[in-house]
Amino acid sequence: QKEVEQDPGPLSVPEGAIVSLNCTYSNSAFQYFMWYRQYSRKGPELLMYTYSSGNKEDGRFTAQVDKSSKYISLFIRDSQPSDSATYLCAMTNNAGNMLTFGGGTRLMVKP
Amino acid sequence: DAEITQSPRHKITETGRQVTLACHQTWNHNNMFWYRQDLGHGLRLIHYSYGVQDTNKGEVSDGYSVSRSNTEDLPLTLESAASSQTSVYFCASSPSGRPTDTQYFGPGTRLTVL
Repeated sequence: QKEVEQDPGPLSVPEGAIVSLNCTYSNSAFQYFMWYRQYSRKGPELLMYTYSSGNKEDGRFTAQVDKSSKYISLFIRDSQPSDSATYLCAMTNNAGNMLTFGGGTRLMVKP
Repeated sequence: DAEITQSPRHKITETGRQVTLACHQTWNHNNMFWYRQDLGHGLRLIHYSYGVQDTNKGEVSDGYSVSRSNTEDLPLTLESAASSQTSVYFCASSPSGRPTDTQYFGPGTRLTVL
């Protein structure tokens, strides 16, 4: 079993929809949780990170962490075609920034 | 502008050949990383370096090596390429090893081993 599980999708939604992307993990030592966005044939870029449990909001994006359930989510409000990409969750412990990535979820937002 | 570059962007090679992928960053970051990305596996860490002359093995290091002779470069060498090493390779760098330090990724190298 992988340390971090992520539904590969693809997830197809109409423009304006609320998107929910999720990851589950097994290592209770993970304390920092990140979401990366990767456009086709490009390198990943950091969207946002969250420390421990709770919510964090940045514009149309909200990250949630539930450590008791070992479950993290990324919500995208008012989704746009430009949000079409692969979204990768990543996490690390307090010891450094070696990241463990999920497999990525491919999102398609249709006009 | 500071950046991280990878070369070549595409490479086709034959089984058994030695291949070196270049990674160069101009941010003066201490930490550099090499990942491979395969369908269904996400990004997996191959090797990483916390500074000049420092190298460490990651999750999938067999068949790969790196060396760090300066801050800017971390070349990845496949000693004897195998078909299982066909993948997209990403280099990344970060200022230090703090959990909150962002890793900045290069554009990737698509390697095909025939």
